[in-house]
Amino acid sequence: EPEVTQTPSHQVTQMGQEVILRCVPISNHLYFYWYRQILGQKVEFLVSFYNNEISEKSEIFDDQFSVERPDGSNFTLKIRSTKLEDSAMYFCASTTQETQYFGPGTRLLVL
Amino acid sequence: SQKIEQNSEALNIQEGKTATLTCNYTNYSPAYLQWYRQDPGRGPVFLLLIRENEKEKRKERLKVTFDTTLKQSLFHITASQPADSATYLCALKGVSGNTPLVFGKGTRLSVIA
Repeated sequence: EPEVTQTPSHQVTQMGQEVILRCVPISNHLYFYWYRQILGQKVEFLVSFYNNEISEKSEIFDDQFSVERPDGSNFTLKIRSTKLEDSAMYFCASTTQETQYFGPGTRLLVL
Repeated sequence: SQKIEQNSEALNIQEGKTATLTCNYTNYSPAYLQWYRQDPGRGPVFLLLIRENEKEKRKERLKVTFDTTLKQSLFHITASQPADSATYLCALKGVSGNTPLVFGKGTRLSVIA
């Protein structure tokens, strides 16, 4: 069964550094998302992406964040200058219309 | 603002019994309501989707009900097993394909042998 994959599984970085989180959505899916989950908190929406552009973003998704689909298969989330509060699990998801399928996540720790 | 509440943070149940989890929402008119399972350190795994015009959905030992008047969904696991122990997330979604999911905080279910 097709799956959403994410790399790396874990990332440790210093505050102020840039990180890029990578996702490979399910191949025939059209809509892509990033969510994050701070430890012990609920899953929160960051951004949705359709037809090579951002379709919706939350208040969390400020100028430090960007998304890209550079090659038609990968979907990336970049955090330009990480802050301590960016430490969380980041999940990529994809869908055709209804059900969103999530990747296993990247655990980001900012020191 | 939109609010989703799942009835309890944690629920302990004896193996073989039926677990019932509740999801209530306010200030939202979802097209779909979905239930996901999340194990520690893992991504949410889709279980069931129920549409606003459906009352009940079943899949093996799982059953979901959706009452748009009460703004409530109930999620049942019958004949529960220790392997069912996980956090169960309720999520709401609008009709448009790119509408994001809005999640509840989840209920952590422990099935005791």
